[in-house]
Amino acid sequence: NAGVTQTPKFQVLKTGQSMTLQCAQDMNHEYMSWYRQDPGMGLRLIHYSVGAGITDQGEVPNGYNVSRSTTEDFPLRLLSAAPSQTSVYFCASHPWEDNNYGYTFGSGTRLTVV
Amino acid sequence: GQNIDQPTEMTATEGAIVQINCTYQTSGFNGLFWYQQHAGEAPTFLSYNVLDGLEEKGRFSSFLSRSKGYSYLLLKELQMKDSASYLCAVRGNTGGFKTIFGAGTRLFVKA
Repeated sequence: NAGVTQTPKFQVLKTGQSMTLQCAQDMNHEYMSWYRQDPGMGLRLIHYSVGAGITDQGEVPNGYNVSRSTTEDFPLRLLSAAPSQTSVYFCASHPWEDNNYGYTFGSGTRLTVV
Repeated sequence: GQNIDQPTEMTATEGAIVQINCTYQTSGFNGLFWYQQHAGEAPTFLSYNVLDGLEEKGRFSSFLSRSKGYSYLLLKELQMKDSASYLCAVRGNTGGFKTIFGAGTRLFVKA
């Protein structure tokens, strides 16, 4: 049981480049989210999904796209990277019907945009 | 909207008890969560409160007062490995039941 798997773990991009951060979970969780974590600002919600085919925006969605074609996968796309997107990105999931179950987080992707 | 406040840093002594407070303002409420995050690692789930009162899990307890928009995490018999950030998070009950996090409290446990 791998839990939530994020790839890559580290990435350096040049300004203007695009890339996709991968996230996959094998727990059959309906709810998946992407957060970014910056020093002193905690975790901020980028996008989330309540199930396959359904996505919505969080607190800081600009510059990012998501899709949810399967229950397992929830990739995050950076359309045109900017230095302000330098951050640690976490993908997380939890089962929709069990509120007593907190998020399971992936190990994170550390992204630097130069 | 939602707003979550918690102290930036706290220091406590090994073997002691420490209480980390969290206050929140939210337009809808569907639960309050505490997570632990060691430096360079992902957060891990500690506790969940949806009703008023105290929930106990071993050395960790979490309290909630919905009318006051207040929660605390109580850590007993502190160990050096408890040095970490503790994140308070609130799940709303509208708009996709989004979970919003506070900035976290860095706890330093000294010998």
